[in-house]
Amino acid sequence: DAGVIQSPRHEVTEMGQEVTLRCKPISGHDYLFWYRQTMMRGLELLIYFNNNVPIDDSGMPEDRFSAKMPNASFSTLKIQPSEPRDSAVYFCASSTYKGGAQHFGDGTRLSIL
Amino acid sequence: SQELEQSPQSLIVQEGKNLTINCTSSKTLYGLYWYKQKYGEGLIFLMMLQKGGEEKSHEKITAKLDEKKQQSSLHITASQPSHAGIYLCGMRDDKIIFGKGTRLHILP
Repeated sequence: DAGVIQSPRHEVTEMGQEVTLRCKPISGHDYLFWYRQTMMRGLELLIYFNNNVPIDDSGMPEDRFSAKMPNASFSTLKIQPSEPRDSAVYFCASSTYKGGAQHFGDGTRLSIL
Repeated sequence: SQELEQSPQSLIVQEGKNLTINCTSSKTLYGLYWYKQKYGEGLIFLMMLQKGGEEKSHEKITAKLDEKKQQSSLHITASQPSHAGIYLCGMRDDKIIFGKGTRLHILP
């Protein structure tokens, strides 16, 4: 079975540009999570969805960040405009229930110059 | 505030030696997860503990949740290079909150 698929794996862009990260969760998983990982702050939950509906976006840093889940098999995390401090590895994960084991994608390594 | 503390932050161990990583919470743990992350990759689920005193094993990795359900330890027996990576514990609150991880290096 395919795991969680994220794209792109690496993204390098200039400050001010729009960045879109994509995620395809495991089929049948009702929960989808977006995380950001940095050396300083570790792994932080940004937002999570249940059945395509955003449930908790309290971890989203600011209005420059937005996330959508138009259907059960696709989600996007968008940063507009991007800033150098957004540089991090962004992970998507999915699970069958909220407290269940989460399956992670390989992440998108984002560098904002 | 950090609700999950992992110790040590990093660990360098000779191949073949045993090691232990700890995860301590300021709250009662109603679900404790252990994940492993290889450098540059995503997290891999290792095991989940829910009951006080519960112990689970996966190959040479054993994790235990103490009776008071506020601390968990992960023990690796006869470490191998393949064990190198970052080990993260996560607690189930309203959602899963992760510790900052323990970086494990295995010397050949």
